[in-house]
Amino acid sequence: KNEVEQSPQNLTAQEGEFITINCSYSVGISALHWLQQHPGGGIVSLFMLSSGKKKHGRLIATINIQEKHSSLHITASHPRDSAVYICAVRAGNQFYFGTGTSLTVIP
Amino acid sequence: NAGVTQTPKFRILKIGQSMTLQCTQDMNHNYMYWYRQDPGMGLKLIYYSVGAGITDKGEVPNGYNVSRSTTEDFPLRLELAAPSQTSVYFCASSYPRGRTGSPSSYEQYFGPGTRLTVT
Repeated sequence: KNEVEQSPQNLTAQEGEFITINCSYSVGISALHWLQQHPGGGIVSLFMLSSGKKKHGRLIATINIQEKHSSLHITASHPRDSAVYICAVRAGNQFYFGTGTSLTVIP
Repeated sequence: NAGVTQTPKFRILKIGQSMTLQCTQDMNHNYMYWYRQDPGMGLKLIYYSVGAGITDKGEVPNGYNVSRSTTEDFPLRLELAAPSQTSVYFCASSYPRGRTGSPSSYEQYFGPGTRLTVT
């Protein structure tokens, strides 16, 4: 069983739709990261959070420590948001990653 | 700042050959990491380092070695390449030197990746 599970695996949305990607984890963590992997393969960090909620532009990330669950929301989605979104958790000095959610936003 | 750089970008190895994947960061980060990403799988941590001279195993260390003689460099060595090591390898760094607070509070910066094929 993976320490980090993401859903859905694939997601197709129309431009402008509100998108939610979910992440559940099974280990005790000190932080949770949301990453974006572009079609060319590069990985960038979107959020690092250990409690509550963070917002950056059209992106919102929330975490519920008690339920071991996090969500990434994208408001007013745009074709440039098309990418793979990866949830990762830090447990001590170890990192565990979800398999990613592949998002395609259609104009 | 160049950030995290990796060389080479692509490499094809024959079974049994050895090679070193280079990783350098210019952000004065204490922590550095090596991951591998296989198709359909999440990234897996191979090795990490919390500072020069200190390295430790991650989730999938077998078949690899690392060293950290300087803050900037964290090379990954494959001694006897096997087809199972065909993957995309990412280096990352985090936690600027001199900062206070938990290392958990800092995001990771990733290199562009090295695509390795072993045939």
